[in-house]
Amino acid sequence: QVQLQESGPGLVKPSETLSLTCTVSGGSISSYYWSWIRQPPGKGLEWIGYIYYSGSTNYNPSLKSRVTISVDTSKTQFSLKLTSVTAADTAVYYCARDAVELATVEEYYYYMDVWGKGTTVTVSS
Amino acid sequence: SSELTQDPAVSVALGQTVRITCQGDSLRSYYASWYQQKTGQAPALVIYGKNDRPSGIPDRFSGSTSGNTASLTITGAQAEDEADYYCNSRDSSGNHVVFGGGTKLTVL
Repeated sequence: QVQLQESGPGLVKPSETLSLTCTVSGGSISSYYWSWIRQPPGKGLEWIGYIYYSGSTNYNPSLKSRVTISVDTSKTQFSLKLTSVTAADTAVYYCARDAVELATVEEYYYYMDVWGKGTTVTVSS
Repeated sequence: SSELTQDPAVSVALGQTVRITCQGDSLRSYYASWYQQKTGQAPALVIYGKNDRPSGIPDRFSGSTSGNTASLTITGAQAEDEADYYCNSRDSSGNHVVFGGGTKLTVL
């Protein structure tokens, strides 16, 4: 079955850029949306943004100015870059497959059915 | 509104039925999906769409929607159901994803 694995530095300095990659294995990256979600310590889930396999993106308006998500279909990977990080960006970062299912005529289901295990990123000098 | 509101905490006696709710204007247009997150683990999908369960999710989990409120019901709660539960959906524009703040379920 499809599995996702996040990778990247666990420690980033303030004002620098956080860069993470999610590798998709056991299935195709095509025909799906792929999301990044984060969870600060002791807090809830926050959607960062998603990318369609074709490259189109949408970002959380609160993070849009600092976020870039890209995809490399040849490597079955998608990546997150978050610039100008502060301590508030310290979190567990998850990647997830964001499915869109046509359930009936003009009725869609949206859900995240496959998640990575998450990677902890700490912003500190 | 692009927000989804959940009660922070709910408790249920072992074997009883519990309903966890999620409120938001976008739920009038989009179904919620529900995720279970146990301590130290990634979230896992438990309900999506009108009332669909991924393979492997017990049938004691069910979902429903009425107006701007989505509900996750656990009929006959088990000790292993103790977890945080999150709802999410598209926002009213359909372009962004929103999560509820999460509900901590305690099984007594």
